[in-house]
Amino acid sequence: DAGVIQSPRHEVTEMGQEVTLRCKPISGHNSLFWYRQTMMRGLELLIYFNNNVPIDDSGMPEDRFSAKMPNASFSTLKIQPSEPRDSAVYFCASSLRAGAQPQHFGDGTRLSIL
Amino acid sequence: QKEVEQNSGPLSVPEGAIASLNCTYSDRGSQSFFWYRQYSGKSPELIMFIYSNGDKEDGRFTAQLNKASQYVSLLIRDSQPSDSATYLCAVLSGGGADGLTFGKGTHLIIQP
Repeated sequence: DAGVIQSPRHEVTEMGQEVTLRCKPISGHNSLFWYRQTMMRGLELLIYFNNNVPIDDSGMPEDRFSAKMPNASFSTLKIQPSEPRDSAVYFCASSLRAGAQPQHFGDGTRLSIL
Repeated sequence: QKEVEQNSGPLSVPEGAIASLNCTYSDRGSQSFFWYRQYSGKSPELIMFIYSNGDKEDGRFTAQLNKASQYVSLLIRDSQPSDSATYLCAVLSGGGADGLTFGKGTHLIIQP
């Protein structure tokens, strides 16, 4: 079975540019999560969706960050404009449904903003 | 502010010994607890989850939960060099929140 698929795997861009990260959850999973990992802060939840609806975006650091889930098999996380402090590894995870279901992570996108 | 605390390590354990990893959490309403393993440059990989007080065993891994003490641990028996990784403790709070709160992880080194 295919796991969570993220693209691109690596992204290097200059500050001020728009960055779009993509995620395809595991088929049949109804909950999708975006996390960010840095050395200083560890893994932090940014936003999550249940049945394509954003439930909690309190972890989104600034208005420069936005996320969408237009259908059950696709989500995007967009940063516009990007800044060097956004450099991190961004992970997408999915689970069968909301609640105490284990979350399965994609391989992540390593983002570097110059 | 919900917090999950782990000793960052490194924790060095001889091959074949038992590795003991510990985690405490601040939200008394937390309901579900997960252990993830993360190799350098890779994504977190789920290895255990536990919902009820007591022990849960899966192969060489045992998760232990004590909700009264707000403490969860992971034991790895017969440690192998391939177990060398960072182990992340994650907590799902109650109240309908579904996102995990992660500790910063414990770096485990199994010495051959």
